[in-house]
Amino acid sequence: AQSVTQPDIHITVSEGASLELRCNYSYGATPYLFWYVQSPGQGLQLLLKYFSGDTLVQGIKGFEAEFKRSQSSFNLRKPSVHWSDAAEYFCAVGSGTGGFKTIFGAGTRLFVKA
Amino acid sequence: NAGVTQTPKFQVLKTGQSMTLQCAQDMNHNSMYWYRQDPGMGLRLIYYSASEGTTDKGEVPNGYNVSRLNKREFSLRLESAAPSQTSVYFCASSETWDSKYEQYFGPGTRLTVT
Repeated sequence: AQSVTQPDIHITVSEGASLELRCNYSYGATPYLFWYVQSPGQGLQLLLKYFSGDTLVQGIKGFEAEFKRSQSSFNLRKPSVHWSDAAEYFCAVGSGTGGFKTIFGAGTRLFVKA
Repeated sequence: NAGVTQTPKFQVLKTGQSMTLQCAQDMNHNSMYWYRQDPGMGLRLIYYSASEGTTDKGEVPNGYNVSRLNKREFSLRLESAAPSQTSVYFCASSETWDSKYEQYFGPGTRLTVT
């Protein structure tokens, strides 16, 4: 069965510092992988996705993620965090069987300090 | 282009009452989804509809029913609300061809059952 683990419930970084959010997945085949962001009181917005090809994918707002099959990981990175990046981040894995079902991780809340 | 809309935004029910959450999308997507979001648990899939005329259970379907009224609309019904159904409910839609699998989310409905 598919599953997604985000080991960090919350992370605090200083504005301007680099960020890495961890994500590990379990899936039998090549996964479809996503990172979504949720600002307070809002729905989720897609940051980036990986289906195949180049294992380093670029997303919106300066985010990138790297797919590492050997580690079953899809970590999200940003070189310099802005205060507006404070939000909750969800990693997700999907399959195309019977429609397209996506399993979400529990989320990592990012706090940014001045 | 409104994207995914949900009504109502907030609702308070007493135990045993029923209600229907409405969702509509204007992106001509084939697939639609209902999730619930609870603290520390990420998003859990309640039901999904891979295409008009079909619906399937997700991870946590008990206590809910759905109707895919047409391609645009996908409603979620609570027949007899219970306090355990207090949650934030999100509707989402996606296309499921040509690698367009990312989901677009509505703003959510915050439901409290007393």
